[in-house]
Amino acid sequence: NAGVMQNPRHLVRRRGQEARLRCSPMKGHSHVYWYRQLPEEGLKFMVYLQKENIIDESGMPKERFSAEFPKEGPSILRIQQVVRGDSAAYFCASSPYIRAQETQYFGPGTRLLVL
Amino acid sequence: DAKTTQPNSMESNEEEPVHLPCNHSTISGTDYIHWYRQLPSQGPEYVIHGLTSNVNNRMASLAIAEDRKSSTLILHRATLRDAAVYYCILRDPLYGSGNTGKLIFGQGTTLQVKP
Repeated sequence: NAGVMQNPRHLVRRRGQEARLRCSPMKGHSHVYWYRQLPEEGLKFMVYLQKENIIDESGMPKERFSAEFPKEGPSILRIQQVVRGDSAAYFCASSPYIRAQETQYFGPGTRLLVL
Repeated sequence: DAKTTQPNSMESNEEEPVHLPCNHSTISGTDYIHWYRQLPSQGPEYVIHGLTSNVNNRMASLAIAEDRKSSTLILHRATLRDAAVYYCILRDPLYGSGNTGKLIFGQGTTLQVKP
């Protein structure tokens, strides 16, 4: 069973461009979480999705950021009109359930650099 | 979510045991105690979790105080590969109350392992 996959691993964008980050959860996992880690800071929750539904987006910036988890295919975190402050590592995690004793499995992350 | 407090950093010598403390004085009776670690330039990975009893797995042991207000992650023989940031996280199973299972990361403890 392959782990959580994220691509690209590194992404360079110029200010004003769009960034699309993809996350393929582990097989059989229907719960996906996105986290952001700004340089020299801890991880912050962004959004929680189940298939075709956004369940909790309390950590998402109000503008320019969106996420989806379609019925088929990977989860996508989309950042429109990127700014330098969006430069960060973005991690996704998946789990089969959301029980408190359940483990979240993290991908290797996408490191976004905005020039 | 209940808050956890960890030392910012700790040092250990290779092949010696390491005890990483975590205080969680406001823990509720149903909170699970989880530990994750993040190696340099990688995504977080699950280490261990427990509720009331001490727990052992192939990576580490978790010792939970009788009053559950603190816990200690024990690495029995630190290796250079154990150098990472270790996060102690409480997870509330009361999903019906709006908790969606997201992980709330603090600053963690940066463990340095000296050869």
